[in-house]
Amino acid sequence: NAGVTQTPKFRILKIGQSMTLQCTQDMNHNYMYWYRQDPGMGLKLIYYSVGAGITDKGEVPNGYNVSRSTTEDFPLRLELAAPSQTSVYFCASHTRGQSEAFFGQGTRLTVV
Amino acid sequence: GQQLNQSPQSMFIQEGEDVSMNCTSSSIFNTWLWYKQDPGEGPVLLIALYKAGELTSNGRLTAQFGITRKDSFLNISASIPSDVGIYFCAGLAGGTSYGKLTFGQGTILTVHP
Repeated sequence: NAGVTQTPKFRILKIGQSMTLQCTQDMNHNYMYWYRQDPGMGLKLIYYSVGAGITDKGEVPNGYNVSRSTTEDFPLRLELAAPSQTSVYFCASHTRGQSEAFFGQGTRLTVV
Repeated sequence: GQQLNQSPQSMFIQEGEDVSMNCTSSSIFNTWLWYKQDPGEGPVLLIALYKAGELTSNGRLTAQFGITRKDSFLNISASIPSDVGIYFCAGLAGGTSYGKLTFGQGTILTVHP
């Protein structure tokens, strides 16, 4: 049982480059989330999804896009990377009626 | 938007002491959750609270869902060195923001042996 899998684990991007952070879960969870965590700070919600085909903005969506074409996958897209997007990104999921969110191991992104 | 205010930001305690931290919000939540994060890892759920007024224990941890549904606290009794980490409260929204899971800023706990 893989749980929530994030790829890549580490990435260095140049300013203006684009990339997609992948997140997949094999638990058939309806709810999926993307958070960013800056050093010494809490988790800020970027986007979330309550099911395939449905996405909503969180607290800090600017500069990011998401899609949810399947239940399993919830990729996060950065179109024009900026230094302010240097952070650790966590994907999480849980099922309807069960509030325990399972987290991936995180993606450490540096934009230079 | 929904904001969770968690306090204190950090705590330095001696092994064996009890710890208390809390979270308040301007919005109502359907579910309150408490997570712990170890360095380099994602958060892991400690306790989930589903009803206003609910008091739940998990070993040395006790948490309560406030009557107003706008606050929660977490107590850790007889702290040990492995309690070190960052503790987060989180609220799961209902209504028009159904499914939105918002986290507090975290409480950094340091336990001195």
